[in-house]
Amino acid sequence: DADVTQTPRNRITKTGKRIMLECSQTKGHDRMYWYRQDPGLGLRLIYYSFDVKDINKGEISDGYSVSRQAQAKFSLSLESAIPNQTALYFCATSDSSGGQALLSPQHFGDGTRLSIL
Amino acid sequence: DQQVKQNSPSLSVQEGRISILNCDYTNSMFDYFLWYKKYPAEGPTFLISISSIKDKNEDGRFTVFLNKSAKHLSLHIVPSQPGDSAVYFCAASDQGGSEKLVFGKGTKLTVNP
Repeated sequence: DADVTQTPRNRITKTGKRIMLECSQTKGHDRMYWYRQDPGLGLRLIYYSFDVKDINKGEISDGYSVSRQAQAKFSLSLESAIPNQTALYFCATSDSSGGQALLSPQHFGDGTRLSIL
Repeated sequence: DQQVKQNSPSLSVQEGRISILNCDYTNSMFDYFLWYKKYPAEGPTFLISISSIKDKNEDGRFTVFLNKSAKHLSLHIVPSQPGDSAVYFCAASDQGGSEKLVFGKGTKLTVNP
C-alpha cells in the first residue's frame, strides 16, 4: 500500500481548464509539499505546508494554488491551465514531530503526469 | 542560477564495479544533503543523507562523501548491481532540515550485467 497517494496518475486536459491534483498520506506526517519535474530537470518546489494552517510558496508558485484540507490531504490546483504547465507533479511528506527535521527526509508519491493541450 | 549541479547526465558501469555519482553546489548555506533514486513511473525514493557536520555517511553499499570546502558531494555504490539502474538526484537544504529541498537535474545510472 502506498503511503503517499496521488490522484489522478495521468491527466490530459485543455488550455484554460481548472485542474485539481490530490495527495493523501497515511504516514502521519505533518509536512507536505508539491513539486513539478520537467524533462531533463530536477524537481522544483511549488508549495509547501508545515501544518493545516500553514501554507508557503515555493520556487515556482505562480499559476498554482493549494489547499491543506486535513493533515493527511494536500491538493494542488491549476486555476486556468496553460501548456507550459505540462509536467510530472509529485507530492511529498516529511515528519518534524521528533523535533529533528534534519533526520526526516521527504517521502514522495508516484506522481501525476499532467498534459495540457 | 542552478544551486545544485549534477554535471553528468548519465553514467554506465559494469556490475560489481563501483559507481560514483557527483554533485556540486554553490550555496554555502546548504547544511543537509540527500540522495534520491528514481525508477520510471515511480516517485523518488530516499537513499541516504549527510549533514554538514560530517564528511562521510555509510549505509550498506551506499556511501556519501561531503567536501564542504569544495562544495562537492559524491555517492559511491559498491558493488553496483543491475537493480541500481535508475536516475539519481542530489538535493540540498539550507534550513537544517529537508523542508525546502533544492534538487539537481539527476544522473541516469545504468549498471550492465
